[in-house]
Amino acid sequence: DVKVTQSSRYLVKRTGEKVFLECVQDMDHENMFWYRQDPGLGLRLIYFSYDVKMKEKGDIPEGYSVSREKKERFSLILESASTNQTSMYLCASSLGQSMMNTQYFGPGTRLTVL
Amino acid sequence: QKEVEQNSGPLSVPEGAIASLNCTYSDRGSQSFFWYRQYSGKSPELIMFIYSNGDKEDGRFTAQLNKASQYVSLLIRDSQPSDSATYLCVGGNEKLTFGTGTRLTIIP
Repeated sequence: DVKVTQSSRYLVKRTGEKVFLECVQDMDHENMFWYRQDPGLGLRLIYFSYDVKMKEKGDIPEGYSVSREKKERFSLILESASTNQTSMYLCASSLGQSMMNTQYFGPGTRLTVL
Repeated sequence: QKEVEQNSGPLSVPEGAIASLNCTYSDRGSQSFFWYRQYSGKSPELIMFIYSNGDKEDGRFTAQLNKASQYVSLLIRDSQPSDSATYLCVGGNEKLTFGTGTRLTIIP
């Protein structure tokens, strides 16, 4: 079974703090993704990576950056957290060179920025 | 127009009946489609995928794809209370786009 884990289930931070969200997958997947999910807006893609050190902007990259130094690990960084970044953050991974393959999700991190 | 559109619901169905969830997409070049189920407070989990026109069955679930009309549907037969969840339709051409989900409630 594919296993995707995320570093925290719940996180509370203050405005202006630097926030790190980590995601690890154990199935040697090439592709990894970060989404945020908000009521009424569905899942929105922040960034994705198709290889180590490679990254591509998704639909809403503003205010975020990512890092992928190892194949199994994909980090999302909020350089200076703001209240409008309060959300559920979901990491996913998928196999192969195509962005169209099945994505497997981690349990999510519910981030609250005060 | 959103790339993948779903009726947000909520959709209420009696236990044992057939639940029908529908989705339309705008990109005619879309090739791959997925249905995910998401329980409240949990992450999405894959139910099934469909690439070809027609029906694909897996247990109580049937996915239907009609590329000419650009719609995808999911039928759940013999609905159970445990099927109560939000169902996400996912599709796309070069990358996957998620619909906003349909909330389904099965009434005992």
